Amino acid sequence: AQTVTQSQPEMSVQEAETVTLSCTYDTSESDYYLFWYKQPPSRQMILVIRQEAYKQQNATENRFSVNFQKAAKSFSLKISDSQLGDAAMYFCAYTGNQFYFGTGTSLTVIP
Amino acid sequence: DVKVTQSSRYLVKRTGEKVFLECVQDMDHENMFWYRQDPGLGLRLIYFSYDVKMKEKGDIPEGYSVSREKKERFSLILESASTNQTSMYLCASSLPRQGGRTEAFFGQGTRLTVV
Repeated sequence: AQTVTQSQPEMSVQEAETVTLSCTYDTSESDYYLFWYKQPPSRQMILVIRQEAYKQQNATENRFSVNFQKAAKSFSLKISDSQLGDAAMYFCAYTGNQFYFGTGTSLTVIP
Repeated sequence: DVKVTQSSRYLVKRTGEKVFLECVQDMDHENMFWYRQDPGLGLRLIYFSYDVKMKEKGDIPEGYSVSREKKERFSLILESASTNQTSMYLCASSLPRQGGRTEAFFGQGTRLTVV
């Protein structure tokens, strides 16, 4: 069975600094996608970034980038130049035939 | 933009009541999902559907049922609400995996309180 593990329930970062959120997953599939979702206090889940497993190049979206290590089954999210609006719950997710989510990391941004 | 709409943001129901949570998506997605979100447990899949009138159990289906009579609408039913079903419920939709974009699009969530 596929599992997604986020080992950091809470993280904090100073405004303008960089923070990395960790995620590992377990699967026997070779073709899959990985995602990071953000859930602010409004509760609306927002897609932050997506990575196709067959692509070796790490995905980047403005200040957000991932470090995808397929052999290690690791998929971390790096947020650069952190802003107050980045404060939210972040979920790592995997999809093969279904979507599987981690337990989330609550990110606090300190002014 | 894809829009997934859940019928209520907040709902308070009494123990034993039959509860309907409605979800509608406007992008002709084949896949629809119902998740339950609890602190420290992340999102847990209750039921999902790959097509009209199709349903598959997720990880925690006990106490719930679903209905998908039309492609755009996926309903979650609590047959007899209990206090341990107090939670946040999230609906999502997506294209099939072979359909290109595969991310899930979410509704705004329904916070259900059973008293």
